[in-house]
Amino acid sequence: DAKTTQPPSMDCAEGRAANLPCNHSTISGNEYVYWYRQIHSQGPQYIIHGLKNNETNEMASLIITEDRKSSTLILPHATLRDTAVYYCIVRRNTNAGKSTFGDGTTLTVKP
Amino acid sequence: NAGVTQTPKFQVLKTGQSMTLQCAQDMNHEYMSWYRQDPGMGLRLIHYSVGAGITDQGEVPNGYNVSRSTTEDFPLRLLSAAPSQTSVYFCASRKANEQFFGPGTRLTVL
Repeated sequence: DAKTTQPPSMDCAEGRAANLPCNHSTISGNEYVYWYRQIHSQGPQYIIHGLKNNETNEMASLIITEDRKSSTLILPHATLRDTAVYYCIVRRNTNAGKSTFGDGTTLTVKP
Repeated sequence: NAGVTQTPKFQVLKTGQSMTLQCAQDMNHEYMSWYRQDPGMGLRLIHYSVGAGITDQGEVPNGYNVSRSTTEDFPLRLLSAAPSQTSVYFCASRKANEQFFGPGTRLTVL
C-alpha cells in the first residue's frame, strides 16, 4: 500500500475554507484515496474517498490531481467542531486492502 | 445496530499479565482490524482479518495474537503485557469503502 505524507498541523479561521493537502506519490492505479478524521480521543470517522475524479459529499470535497500523486481535502466552511486530526490513506478498494494510517494533520479551527 | 463494540473500556495490567481485548460487530463486515494509538501519535495497524479463519499481520504485530472464528468477533490477545503496550486500542470493521471504529480500550501496563 502506498504511503502518504501530510503536514503535522494547520490552522484555519472559523467560516473559512480549510484545505488539507496529502502527498501520495507512489500510489498505484488500483488504489483509492480515503480521508478520515478523529475528534478528541474518539475512533476515526470516515469522510470521503475517491479514485481519480473529484468527489463531494455533505461533509467535504476531495480534489485529486490528474497524476494522482496528491490530493486536497476541502472543508468549505470550517467550524470549531471541525477541529480534529485528519488522516489521508490510500488502499485498494477490495476486502483485502489493508488500511494503514499515518500521523495525520491536526487542524485547529480558530474563532 | 450496535456497530463496533469493545470491552473493556479501561484496563490496568501488571507486567507479564495476559488479557484479551474483545471486539464485536453486528454489521456482517468481512474485514476487521486492530490499531493502537500512542499519545500524540497516529494509528498503527496491529493485525487484520479479511474474513472468518483468515488473519494477517499489520505494522506492529509483535506481542499480540488474534483469531477470527466468527464473522462477528475479533479478539486481540496480549500474552505477556509490557509497559510499551500502554496505549489506546481501537477495533474497526469495514465494508467496501467505509471503516467503522469502536470507542477504544485504554490500556495501562505497570
